[in-house]
Amino acid sequence: GQNIDQPTEMTATEGAIVQINCTYQTSGFNGLFWYQQHAGEAPTFLSYNVLDGLEEKGRFSSFLSRSKGYSYLLLKELQMKDSASYLCAVLDSNYQLIWGAGTKLIIKP
Amino acid sequence: ETGVTQTPRHLVMGMTNKKSLKCEQHLGHNAMYWYKQSAKKPLELMFVYNFKEQTENNSVPSRFSPECPNSSHLFLHLHTLQPEDSALYLCASSQEAGASYEQYFGPGTRLTVT
Repeated sequence: GQNIDQPTEMTATEGAIVQINCTYQTSGFNGLFWYQQHAGEAPTFLSYNVLDGLEEKGRFSSFLSRSKGYSYLLLKELQMKDSASYLCAVLDSNYQLIWGAGTKLIIKP
Repeated sequence: ETGVTQTPRHLVMGMTNKKSLKCEQHLGHNAMYWYKQSAKKPLELMFVYNFKEQTENNSVPSRFSPECPNSSHLFLHLHTLQPEDSALYLCASSQEAGASYEQYFGPGTRLTVT
């Protein structure tokens, strides 16, 4: 079957750096997405990786290793507003999105 | 006006009621999606419409009935629901289905079935 694994919850300190990991086993691969979802709000797109390597976008970076079935989202200079759930999703061979259950990130002052 | 809107935001219904959820996108997209989001579970794709044609129905019970009159509007008609159907129902849109375009989500309808 198809599977996406990510930690259920993480805690970090304001101003610090946190890395949220995602591992996947899917039928084919056409890219990996990261979304952010604040409590009670819509998920919003953060990043898309289809080639190996690191993509940087301001304080957020996303890394992909297709051979290892692994990605991470790196958040730098954490702010209180970064408290949210982070969803990892993989586009399989049929271009269907397979979603992880999300990682709830708690930022403490 | 936000890109994807959903109404109502909250809905409480009994098991014998009939209600409809509405979604509208103002992004000029051609694909629209219904998802179910339950606590601590992955998003479950329910239905996909691409250029107004339904392209995906992920074994969803017939008590959920989608309707897509045009590329900007999507409905989910509900009847004789069960308590386990209580969840957040999210609508999303993208440029096109079956490709690597990101999806834009609405704020969701929090549904409670009593």
